Amino acid sequence: EIVLTQSPGTLSLSPGESATLSCRASQTVSSRYLVWYQQKPGQAPRLLIYGASTRATGIPDRFNGSGSGTDFTLTISRLEPEDFAVYYCQHFDTSPPLTFGGGTKVEI
Amino acid sequence: QVQLVQSGAEVTRPGAPVRVSCSIAGYTFSNYYIHWVRQAPGQGLEWMGLIDPRGGSTEYAQKFQGRVLMTRDTSTTTVYLDLTSLTSEDTAVYYCARRARIRSGYYYIFYFDYWGQGTLVTVSS
Repeated sequence: EIVLTQSPGTLSLSPGESATLSCRASQTVSSRYLVWYQQKPGQAPRLLIYGASTRATGIPDRFNGSGSGTDFTLTISRLEPEDFAVYYCQHFDTSPPLTFGGGTKVEI
Repeated sequence: QVQLVQSGAEVTRPGAPVRVSCSIAGYTFSNYYIHWVRQAPGQGLEWMGLIDPRGGSTEYAQKFQGRVLMTRDTSTTTVYLDLTSLTSEDTAVYYCARRARIRSGYYYIFYFDYWGQGTLVTVSS
């Protein structure tokens, strides 16, 4: 089973700043199976990025995913007030179990 | 439009079972796998398993083997999660989610594109 470790646990930033979120896999994974979600309190997760770097429909271009091998990054440039949330990475391939990282909270 | 509508909150006793439903509309029911993911209070996301609505086949996370059952009713386009022998550690919000699949060259890429609103299950004596 692939273990995903996200860091930092919490990121304290101000609107307008940039955020860099890390997701590290316990073994090499294909980038096409790396997904990022955003979750706000009381809401279901929302798809942001799939295939490590492809933004989902309607996701602003200030969200960018990158990485390969074991190291993946979600960068949020020019933080907007609505971007303060928890972000999860996920390894999603054909073979269960599916795994999620522990999440990074981006707070003001 | 695509909708995954889950049943309401449940409060149940330790040792009892619970059933959560996920009613699906807005697309062809049999074309997309449905997964269940749960989230304990203040915690992260935990994958529980999946069901193929076409044939009803399932795969479960090892952690839940023996006390989880995922089924579907094609006549009502509803998917069900049954969890038995509940303990306080099963207190969580349970989500159903649709697995999207797109082709990328020789491979497929997967992700959850639609989620239910979540169902809070509270296990308390």
